Amino acid sequence: AQTVTQSQPEMSVQEAETVTLSCTYDTSESDYYLFWYKQPPSRQMILVIRQEAYKQQNATENRFSVNFQKAAKSFSLKISDSQLGDAAMYFCAYIKDTGRRALTFGSGTRLQVQP
Amino acid sequence: DAGVIQSPRHEVTEMGQEVTLRCKPISGHNSLFWYRQTMMRGLELLIYFNNNVPIDDSGMPEDRFSAKMPNASFSTLKIQPSEPRDSAVYFCASSLRRDRGRETQYFGPGTRLLVL
Repeated sequence: AQTVTQSQPEMSVQEAETVTLSCTYDTSESDYYLFWYKQPPSRQMILVIRQEAYKQQNATENRFSVNFQKAAKSFSLKISDSQLGDAAMYFCAYIKDTGRRALTFGSGTRLQVQP
Repeated sequence: DAGVIQSPRHEVTEMGQEVTLRCKPISGHNSLFWYRQTMMRGLELLIYFNNNVPIDDSGMPEDRFSAKMPNASFSTLKIQPSEPRDSAVYFCASSLRRDRGRETQYFGPGTRLLVL
């Protein structure tokens, strides 16, 4: 079974600084997809960024980028120029290419942004 | 475009009552997912539909839970009878599945259910 581990329950960053959230996963599949979702206090689950396992190039979305290390099964999220609105729970998620189409989520990292 | 719409946003009910959660997926999407979020178990898939057909309901906790998708723009998740342990946030998500695996699930705002 696939598992997703987020080892940092809480992180804090100063406004305008950079922070990296860690995620590791375990799978025997070769084709899969990885995601970071953001959950602010409103509880909405918002897609932040997506990475296909077959792509070596790391995904980037504006201030958000990932460091995808397939051999190490690591998928970290870097937030540059942190803003107060980035404060939220961040969930790493995995889905395999075939079979059951269930996202497997990590336990989440709560990010605080200090003004 | 409107995102996934869920109603109600909050529901408080008493044990034993029937609860119906509703979801309208993003227009044009062909897959719909129901997830549940609790402190103890995190986010878990309950059931998903592809082209209105239930594909996998192995995550449905027990027979008290049922889900339907009568058409491409509407789905319900029903709990009858409800129990306090059903208290959770229930999310609906939808996606457009074109090729194998090439999809992203977009979530609705969730329904926060409290069963007293």
